Amino acid sequence: QQQVKQSPQSLIVQKGGIPIINCAYENTAFDYFPWYQQFPGKGPALLIAIRPDVSEKKEGRFTISFNKSAKQFSLHIMDSQPGDSATYFCAASSAGGTSYGKLTFGQGTILTVHP
Amino acid sequence: DSGVTQTPKHLITATGQRVTLRCSPRSGDLSVYWYQQSLDQGLQFLIQYYNGEERAKGNILERFSAQQFPDLHSELNLSSLELGDSALYFCASSSGRGRNQPQHFGDGTRLSIL
Repeated sequence: QQQVKQSPQSLIVQKGGIPIINCAYENTAFDYFPWYQQFPGKGPALLIAIRPDVSEKKEGRFTISFNKSAKQFSLHIMDSQPGDSATYFCAASSAGGTSYGKLTFGQGTILTVHP
Repeated sequence: DSGVTQTPKHLITATGQRVTLRCSPRSGDLSVYWYQQSLDQGLQFLIQYYNGEERAKGNILERFSAQQFPDLHSELNLSSLELGDSALYFCASSSGRGRNQPQHFGDGTRLSIL
């Protein structure tokens, strides 16, 4: 019940394309859903996050869509650039109970953007 | 730069040994989280401290322990090391005030067990 399932495992797009990464969760206590970007040799960097009271959030070229009834959320990257090539992780957490905001991560998506 | 500092960057040691990983959180952050990243398990939560007190525990082995000191830096101690402990260990920090505050990650310590 604590799992977050992420797909696809890898994704290749051309520059300017719109890669979409999907995540699904089971635990209805999750109430915070961040996305992280990780480059080789670096730690995950927070990109954008959403709470379940909104269905969409946009920051720059990154958009999260959230479907509470389906327990799914996704990341869209508009006008993708070669510099966006990285591994992307979705995550979820709950502030309640004994969770104290610990993050449960998806397995990651390796994105390659060709010039 | 996330503001979270982890040392050392790389650690190579042998089975059966003990190591200590260090983390300095962002200025003002009271919460520290430790995560392990491996190819087969992905990113897994280990343990969280808030202002010196243990707050939450994940799938942390009994051979592993952690603490957070009065100056808020944290250390993760790994003992009786096994080959399977080879992984990247990340520390993250958050303000700890309010619900689900953003967690900011350091660049990790890569632990290799020979």
